[in-house]
Amino acid sequence: AQTVTQSQPEMSVQEAETVTLSCTYDTSENNYYLFWYKQPPSRQMILVIRQEAYKQQNATENRFSVNFQKAAKSFSLKISDSQLGDTAMYFCAYSGGGADGLTFGKGTHLIIQP
Amino acid sequence: EAGVVQSPRYKIIEKKQPVAFWCNPISGHNTLYWYRQNLGQGPELLIRYENEEAVDDSQLPKDRFSAERLKGVDSTLKIQPAELGDSAVYLCASSFGLTREQYFGPGTRLTVT
Repeated sequence: AQTVTQSQPEMSVQEAETVTLSCTYDTSENNYYLFWYKQPPSRQMILVIRQEAYKQQNATENRFSVNFQKAAKSFSLKISDSQLGDTAMYFCAYSGGGADGLTFGKGTHLIIQP
Repeated sequence: EAGVVQSPRYKIIEKKQPVAFWCNPISGHNTLYWYRQNLGQGPELLIRYENEEAVDDSQLPKDRFSAERLKGVDSTLKIQPAELGDSAVYLCASSFGLTREQYFGPGTRLTVT
């Protein structure tokens, strides 16, 4: 079974700083997808960024980018120029072949300080 | 485009009572998921539907949980009878084709007393 591990329960940075959230996963599959979701206090899960395992190029979405290391099974999220609205729980998630359900990590609570 | 709709947002019941949650996915999304999120944890998949068919219900506690997705659109998740350990947030998500991108609803927070 696939597992996703987020080793940072909580992180706190100052506004405008850059922060990196860590994620490692375990799988025996070769083709899969990785995601970062944001969950603010409102509980709505919002997709931040996705990465296809067959793509070597790291995904970027505006201030959000990932460092995907397939051999190391590592998938970190970098948030540049952090903003107060980035404060939320961030979940790393894995999806295998087909329209499988997502396997989530336990999450990292990110706090952006003014 | 309307997002995934769930109701109710909050529900408080006594143990041994029944409860039901409703989900309306994004129009045209053929795959629907129910997740349970315990406090301080990531969501865990309960069941996945492809149109009307439940294709993955291996994590659904079938002694007390049931789900249906009539006509391949709306879905209902039911718990009968509820136990204290069922207190959690129940999330519904939907996706289209093989994009793997799942769109989540706001969830229902269930408290069993």
